[in-house]
Amino acid sequence: DAGVIQSPRHEVTEMGQEVTLRCKPISGHDYLFWYRQTMMRGLELLIYFNNNVPIDDSGMPEDRFSAKMPNASFSTLKIQPSEPRDSAVYFCASSRRLAGYTDTQYFGPGTRLTVL
Amino acid sequence: TQLLEQSPQFLSIQEGENLTVYCNSSSVFSSLQWYRQEPGEGPVLLVTVVTGGEVKKLKRLTFQFGDARKDSSLHITAAQPGDTGLYLCAGPTGGGNKLTFGTGTQLKVEL
Repeated sequence: DAGVIQSPRHEVTEMGQEVTLRCKPISGHDYLFWYRQTMMRGLELLIYFNNNVPIDDSGMPEDRFSAKMPNASFSTLKIQPSEPRDSAVYFCASSRRLAGYTDTQYFGPGTRLTVL
Repeated sequence: TQLLEQSPQFLSIQEGENLTVYCNSSSVFSSLQWYRQEPGEGPVLLVTVVTGGEVKKLKRLTFQFGDARKDSSLHITAAQPGDTGLYLCAGPTGGGNKLTFGTGTQLKVEL
């Protein structure tokens, strides 16, 4: 079975441009998570969805960030306008149940974003 | 906020050496997970520990959950270059509704 798929793998853009990151979760998984990883802050949860509904977006840093999940097999994370401090690796993960029930989160390969 | 502090932050050792990585918190966790992340990839789950005092072994890796469920350790015996990577502990927070990751330990095993 295919794992979590993310695109693009690398994105280089200029400050002020809109950036859209895409994720296809594992089929049958009810939960989808977006994370950001930097050297300074480590791996941070930005937002997660349950059955396509956003449940907790308290980790989204600013209004410039938005996420959608129009159906069970697709989600996007959009940054508009992008800033150099948004440069990071963004991961998408999916699971069948929440972490509180000790289920496994399966991560995609990540999108390395560089904002010049 | 439930924080997970890992130590050491960086570790560089020779093949064949033993090492221990620690994950500590001032809060009690219902369970803890350990993930390994290799360069250019996402984290991959190694193990989940759920009972205070629990010890789990995965080949040369031994995981222990503290009796009070506030800390965990990962011990690697006879490290190999293939063990190189970022090791992350993680625990459920927010009422069990999300996963908080530790600060990470970057391990490099050299020949």
